[in-house]
This record gives sequence, C-alpha cells and structure tokens, in this order.
Amino acid sequence: DAKTTQPPSMDCAEGRAANLPCNHSTISGNEYVYWYRQIHSQGPQYIIHGLKNNETNEMASLIITEDRKSSTLILPHATLRDTAVYYCIVTYTGANSKLTFGKGITLSVRP
Amino acid sequence: GAVVSQHPSWVICKSGTSVKIECRSLDFQATTMFWYRQFPKQSLMLMATSNEGSKATYEQGVEKDKFLINHASLTLSTLTVTSAHPEDSSFYICSARDGTNEKLFFGSGTQLSVL
Repeated sequence: DAKTTQPPSMDCAEGRAANLPCNHSTISGNEYVYWYRQIHSQGPQYIIHGLKNNETNEMASLIITEDRKSSTLILPHATLRDTAVYYCIVTYTGANSKLTFGKGITLSVRP
Repeated sequence: GAVVSQHPSWVICKSGTSVKIECRSLDFQATTMFWYRQFPKQSLMLMATSNEGSKATYEQGVEKDKFLINHASLTLSTLTVTSAHPEDSSFYICSARDGTNEKLFFGSGTQLSVL
C-alpha cells in the first residue's frame, strides 16, 4: 500500500471549516483514499473514501487532486466533538486489502 | 451505519492468565476481521487478519501462539491473549469488513491491563 504523509497537528476555531491535508505521492491507479478518525480511547470511525472524484457525505468532503498525489478532508463546520486524530489511508479495496495506520493528524477544535 | 460490538471494553487480569476478547458484527456478515493493538500515544498496529473458517494471518513480529484468533462464524471473531504479561497491556481493537460495500468498521476497543 502507498504511504501517506500528514502534518502532526493542526487546530481550527469552532464553527469554521477544518481542512486536513494528506500527501500520497506514490498512490497506485486502483488505490482508494480513506479517512478515519479516532476520538480518545475509542475505535476509529469511518469518515469517507474516494478513488479520483471528489466525494461528500453528511460528515465531510474529500477533495482529491487531479494527479491523485494529495487530498484534503474538509469538515465544513468544525465542532468541539470533532477534536480527534484523523488518519488518511491509501489502500486497495477487495477481500484481501487491509488498513495500515500511520501517525495521523491531531485536530484540535478550539472554542 | 454498521455496528461492530467488542467486549469487554476493559479488563484487568493477573500475570499468567488468559484473556478472551470478542468482536461481533451486529448487522452485517464479515468474511474478514482484523485485530489491532494500540499503545498510548501511538497509532494502531495491525496484528492479524482473520478470515471466517480459516487460520488467521499474522503480521511480522506477532506471536501466533500468544495471540490466538478464532473466526468461527461470519459475525464473530475472538482474540485470546494467552499467559498475559504486563507488557501485553494495551488497547486492542477489532474491525470487520462489510462485504457488500467494502467498508471497514471498528469496535470500540478493549483496554487490557495485566498486573
């Protein structure tokens, strides 16, 4: 699986958009970009995933660059509950694929 | 969304005893389940991949005789930490793949403390 690079931490103000970057310059053509988050002492929570097109769901938006070498997770209106470690993972889908977690980015939402 | 139930959420045991952790997919069938371990302030480390009805595949450096994994049905996988020692104290997390949409869902984790 391709490796991802994320800044160690960032913060944003409550109510503002949080834009979390991720670099995955060695991504292969059929690898997806997944985002999960982990709130302290809980299991990771699925947020969103995509292949090449931008994706949006009730939690977030995922913007993938045209060359697919980087992506941005957007939380449109961050709340204090969004404070967590966010993991960007690149992997194939299918029965034999698995998620390998990096260090992630710690997002702190301030009041 | 799909729910993965992990039990117990925390356990304290004496050194030398064995501890079993259960992971259930409640509303979907999971042909594949994964077990992770997480030490404080570190990321999740994949321990093993478990496929229903077959032997688990362990990651390099994980002792298969110490961490016994059983995936006897499409909704249940168990991890048994045998002869636990204080260095096995960690947060153990399971995940299950929903075969209909390829999404991976995680349990809430089990905090194991070995005295």
